[in-house]
Amino acid sequence: QKEVEQDPGPLSVPEGAIVSLNCTYSNSAFQYFMWYRQYSRKGPELLMYTYSSGNKEDGRFTAQVDKSSKYISLFIRDSQPSDSATYLCAMTSRAGAQKLVFGQGTRLTINP
Amino acid sequence: DTAVSQTPKYLVTQMGNDKSIKCEQNLGHDTMYWYKQDSKKFLKIMFSYNNKELIINETVPNRFSPKSPDKAHLNLHINSLELGDSAVYFCASSQPYEVGVEQFFGPGTRLTVL
Repeated sequence: QKEVEQDPGPLSVPEGAIVSLNCTYSNSAFQYFMWYRQYSRKGPELLMYTYSSGNKEDGRFTAQVDKSSKYISLFIRDSQPSDSATYLCAMTSRAGAQKLVFGQGTRLTINP
Repeated sequence: DTAVSQTPKYLVTQMGNDKSIKCEQNLGHDTMYWYKQDSKKFLKIMFSYNNKELIINETVPNRFSPKSPDKAHLNLHINSLELGDSAVYFCASSQPYEVGVEQFFGPGTRLTVL
């Protein structure tokens, strides 16, 4: 069993829809949770970061962490075609020179 | 303005050959990484260097040898290439001692072994 599980999709939704992306994990030591976005043929870039449990909002994006369930989510409101990318969750147990453990990535397409 | 750069972008080679991938970052970061992304987009760390010192060495065949001549450069040399080495290799960098530090990724090197 992988430490971090993520449904690889693909996921295809119409423009304007609310998108929900999720990851589960098994390592209770994980404290820092990230979402990276990767466009085709590009490197991943950090989208959002959350420490421990709770919610964090940034514009159309909301990240949620439920450590009791070992479950994290990323919500995208009013999705745009430019949001089409692969979304990777990542997590680590400590900050600084951290070994990030990534999920497999969910490929998302927003259809105009 | 390139933050993390890698060369070459594409590498096609025969089984058994030796090849190198170079990485440079101009962000002033102390820590650099090599990741391998397979065909299913699964991204896995291979190595990490902090100020030229190896700090993370995952279970990687010893045909892979990283080298850091200075903290702005981290190269990856691969000996006796195998078909299973075909993947996209990403270099990344970060500052190590800040909470929630972001890793900045390069554009990737797509390696195809024939």
